[in-house]
Amino acid sequence: GAVVSQHPSRVICKSGTSVKIECRSLDFQATTMFWYRQFPKQSLMLMATSNEGSKATYEQGVEKDKFLINHASLTLSTLTVTSAHPEDSSFYICSARPRDPRSGANVLTFGAGSRLTVL
Amino acid sequence: DQQVKQNSPSLSVQEGRISILNCDYTNSMFDYFLWYKKYPAEGPTFLISISSIKDKNEDGRFTVFLNKSAKHLSLHIVPSQPGDSAVYFCAASKSTDKLIFGTGTRLQVFP
Repeated sequence: GAVVSQHPSRVICKSGTSVKIECRSLDFQATTMFWYRQFPKQSLMLMATSNEGSKATYEQGVEKDKFLINHASLTLSTLTVTSAHPEDSSFYICSARPRDPRSGANVLTFGAGSRLTVL
Repeated sequence: DQQVKQNSPSLSVQEGRISILNCDYTNSMFDYFLWYKKYPAEGPTFLISISSIKDKNEDGRFTVFLNKSAKHLSLHIVPSQPGDSAVYFCAASKSTDKLIFGTGTRLQVFP
């Protein structure tokens, strides 16, 4: 089955620093990847959609300059939280949609998530 | 604007009995619905889906029912097992557009 690897699983950083989270599709090519954010006891909120070779599409209220998304290849998308602050502490989860529509048109495969703590 | 809602934040069921998780949506354009299961500190894993042309889809112990007129779907798990204890999210989309998730229901199956 489709596997999405996300790294790091946990990161602690000082306020003002930048943190990069990687999302890789291990056994399939993903033309589209999605980045979600989850606060404790809340739903998964879509932050942005990244398409290979083009700019990411951000959801309303998400600062594109703070959350930089790059999808440079069919197997890798990165989320960089720039100048992180304590309010950016959250659980970030990436997901990918297999390129082959026969895999299931809209069944996303999720990474294990990355817990970011900003001190 | 919460387009997908799960009004029960938690559910407790005895092992062997049926678990019924409910989900309501507001956007009549949604045509594909999914259920995901999530353990703490892990990403969601896909359980079962249903397209709007159907009203029922079954996979082993899991059955999803869709009532388009009521804009309501439900996930039935029978028999429930302790390993089913997790947070369950329903999600909806228009065709292959982005998935919109509900707020989740924490299911606890006790012996």
